[in-house]
Amino acid sequence: GAGVSQSPRYKVAKRGQDVALRCDPISGHVSLFWYQQALGQGPEFLTYFQNEAQLDKSGLPSDRFFAERPEGSVSTLKIQRTQQEDSAVYLCASSLAGTDYEQYFGPGTRLTVT
Amino acid sequence: SQQGEEDPQALSIQEGENATMNCSYKTSINNLQWYRQNSGRGLVHLILIRSNEREKHSGRLRVTLDTSKKSSSLLITASRAADTASYFCAIDRGSTLGRLYFGRGTQLTVWP
Repeated sequence: GAGVSQSPRYKVAKRGQDVALRCDPISGHVSLFWYQQALGQGPEFLTYFQNEAQLDKSGLPSDRFFAERPEGSVSTLKIQRTQQEDSAVYLCASSLAGTDYEQYFGPGTRLTVT
Repeated sequence: SQQGEEDPQALSIQEGENATMNCSYKTSINNLQWYRQNSGRGLVHLILIRSNEREKHSGRLRVTLDTSKKSSSLLITASRAADTASYFCAIDRGSTLGRLYFGRGTQLTVWP
């Protein structure tokens, strides 16, 4: 595919369940970002990968959030013991490099925790 | 705040009119980017303007940057109903590996 894809598009989880969100970046893009977007707000940075290395995870809100990109392509964002405040749209973006390049966003995964 | 702040929060105009959205920020920047988001969709990149640039054009879009005032504006000329979306400015500080700081956005509605 030509763009960034994410799956699932929608996820409903009961409080306390674990979820895994997948991101397929554009082939050849070195940089991969995860953002969280609450309703009516702009995206908030979660974490950044350069190839398989997680260089910045300062935006992860708690130790229940974990991200990986083991082979430098597909990335997974995992949330353990989901809470209602985790309900949001999770956006993945990729770019050729880090700074000074436009980011290409996927459609997002809308997570609803009940 | 390290993020951009858009103004106004909401803008409603008729087709054919021009739409101007503003973004202010407080930190030094490497570049500033504008994105569009249609309801329920991902963000689409519009324009990237670097800190040493003052104006850029792309089709009906014109972006200006005034680093002395720490502000940017996005002008959409001859707007169309299809331009209805949320518009975000995002700050790239350069020192943060490409991490973008987004504002809350401007919701633009263009009436046919």
